[in-house]
Amino acid sequence: GQQLNQSPQSMFIQEGEDVSMNCTSSSIFNTWLWYKQEPGEGPVLLIALYKAGELTSNGRLTAQFGITRKDSFLNISASIPSDVGIYFCAGLLRGTGANNLFFGTGTRLTVIP
Amino acid sequence: DGGITQSPKYLFRKEGQNVTLSCEQNLNHDAMYWYRQDPGQGLRLIYYSQIVNDFQKGDIAEGYSVSREKKESFPLTVTSAQKNPTAFYLCASLGRLNEKLFFGSGTQLSVL
Repeated sequence: GQQLNQSPQSMFIQEGEDVSMNCTSSSIFNTWLWYKQEPGEGPVLLIALYKAGELTSNGRLTAQFGITRKDSFLNISASIPSDVGIYFCAGLLRGTGANNLFFGTGTRLTVIP
Repeated sequence: DGGITQSPKYLFRKEGQNVTLSCEQNLNHDAMYWYRQDPGQGLRLIYYSQIVNDFQKGDIAEGYSVSREKKESFPLTVTSAQKNPTAFYLCASLGRLNEKLFFGSGTQLSVL
């Protein structure tokens, strides 16, 4: 199945730094979702985006639905050690009647105290 | 609390044995999914169901089976035909109205 292009694959940053990651696709999506996954756990939904250009925040996290509807961005400001994990995006196509969910390959974030 | 419950957290399979992973949700979601996650890899779709009594094969359905007799439940059976079953299995459900996909906490399946 289709996978979304997510970059970067991994990031090593100092505590307090800001982080940016993005997902791109050749297809248009109706909804973009961003998740965080920690080892041995299920992904936790961070932010959901529904409209082109939409900018939504959840604490220190901010995500945007790209104008073209083919991409999305996630920013984390003032990173802290507990931000460590794998972040991935998901794109949803509405009403196709078939498998309509596609996932990014993930960005592994390491925060150095 | 509303959510998705997967059990067991850890499961061991002997060669030739079928094992069943449980997934229950109380979110009143119609659509449910099973994914397989291997170390360092993305999610791969095994099966999905958009409504009770109906389900569709995903990209890697061989060696797996599912049922959807109740809206709340979508169990996955890993059969003896699945020769490489060791992986982390994730169940998810999707809300039709708010289009949010929620995951369970996962089941780690290993082969003895």
